[in-house]
Amino acid sequence: TQLLEQSPQFLSIQEGENLTVYCNSSSVFSSLQWYRQEPGEGPVLLVTVVTGGEVKKLKRLTFQFGDARKDSSLHITAAQPGDTGLYLCAETSGGGADGLTFGKGTHLIIQP
Amino acid sequence: DAGVIQSPRHEVTEMGQEVTLRCKPISGHNSLFWYRQTMMRGLELLIYFNNNVPIDDSGMPEDRFSAKMPNASFSTLKIQPSEPRDSAVYFCASSLQTTSGDEQFFGPGTRLTVL
Repeated sequence: TQLLEQSPQFLSIQEGENLTVYCNSSSVFSSLQWYRQEPGEGPVLLVTVVTGGEVKKLKRLTFQFGDARKDSSLHITAAQPGDTGLYLCAETSGGGADGLTFGKGTHLIIQP
Repeated sequence: DAGVIQSPRHEVTEMGQEVTLRCKPISGHNSLFWYRQTMMRGLELLIYFNNNVPIDDSGMPEDRFSAKMPNASFSTLKIQPSEPRDSAVYFCASSLQTTSGDEQFFGPGTRLTVL
């Protein structure tokens, strides 16, 4: 079973600052998804990356997939309190309906 | 459109009791997943179904856990007997299996506390 390591585990910053969180594996990802989970709710998909070196943007969020497909990062520009949540990366086989393997996540708090 | 529906949202029970968690997937989805989330272990896959058939139950921790999907619109996860270490948030998710992607849609979860 692939082990996904996410860092940092906790991050608390002020509104307006930039931040980056990471997801790493010792094995190559088939494809990778990033989810955000808010308290009392289930995770919600943000993005799927498939190709090594791929970069995707979602408003102030930038997702990057490493060239070797063994790591990924999520960068948030000008963080806002609404970005607060648990950010999870998950490996997916892609194109199928297999279960996901999740990292333990980064707990992000954006203080006003 | 209604998302994935789970019931109950909260369950408090005593050790040794039977617990049944319920899930209604999004209409038209053909895959259903049960996950468990704890602070220590994070979000873990327990079992998943494709077209109502269990495909992989290797994540089910013990024989005390069982899951069924009698039809495309309903699934249950049962724990019998329950133990305090089963306390966690249990999520159900569903997806429409395609060749190009597999977004999973999660329900709000059932928070289980076993005393």
